[in-house]
Amino acid sequence: AQSVTQLDSQVPVFEEAPVELRCNYSSSVSVYLFWYVQYPNQGLQLLLKYLSGSTLVESINGFEAEFNKSQTSFHLRKPSVHISDTAEYFCAVSEVNNAGNMLTFGGGTRLMVKP
Amino acid sequence: DTAVSQTPKYLVTQMGNDKSIKCEQNLGHDTMYWYKQDSKKFLKIMFSYNNKELIINETVPNRFSPKSPDKAHLNLHINSLELGDSAVYFCASSLGNQPQHFGDGTRLSIL
Repeated sequence: AQSVTQLDSQVPVFEEAPVELRCNYSSSVSVYLFWYVQYPNQGLQLLLKYLSGSTLVESINGFEAEFNKSQTSFHLRKPSVHISDTAEYFCAVSEVNNAGNMLTFGGGTRLMVKP
Repeated sequence: DTAVSQTPKYLVTQMGNDKSIKCEQNLGHDTMYWYKQDSKKFLKIMFSYNNKELIINETVPNRFSPKSPDKAHLNLHINSLELGDSAVYFCASSLGNQPQHFGDGTRLSIL
């Protein structure tokens, strides 16, 4: 079975500052990795994913995450945040070749961007 | 619009009642899911259906019964509702190992 740990439950940051949201996972098999974002009273939206290939993946709104197999991490970063980035961010994994494609989520990190 | 749609968005009911939540996807996906998000925002898989067949059934009370009439629908029926069932329930769908698409959630409140 796999597990996901998001070390920070809340991350306050000023607008235009850089941010890193940490994610570590544990699994006995290869995994796919995802970051989802949840805005207040909304569903989850996929932010970015790592399935294979380059370990650095980027989203269209300036976020990036790097898969580090040796450290079993998939930290999310953005060099300059905006007020509109305020949301809950979830890291998730699913096992490669898992028939059910089940996602295991971390506990979430609330990013609070202040003016 | 192409999407995963859930109804109702809000559901307020009394303890002991039976209720259903509907989910439909028009993305042509072959797998559908139900997740529960508790008051601390923790998300946990409940069920997974692939081509109308149950694949995953996590430790969920048997008061919860999913029904998949076809690949595009996965409904969730809950019997004898309890206070602890209060949560946001999310439906999702995917194709193969591609990322899951989520609905907007159904906020269930038990009085």
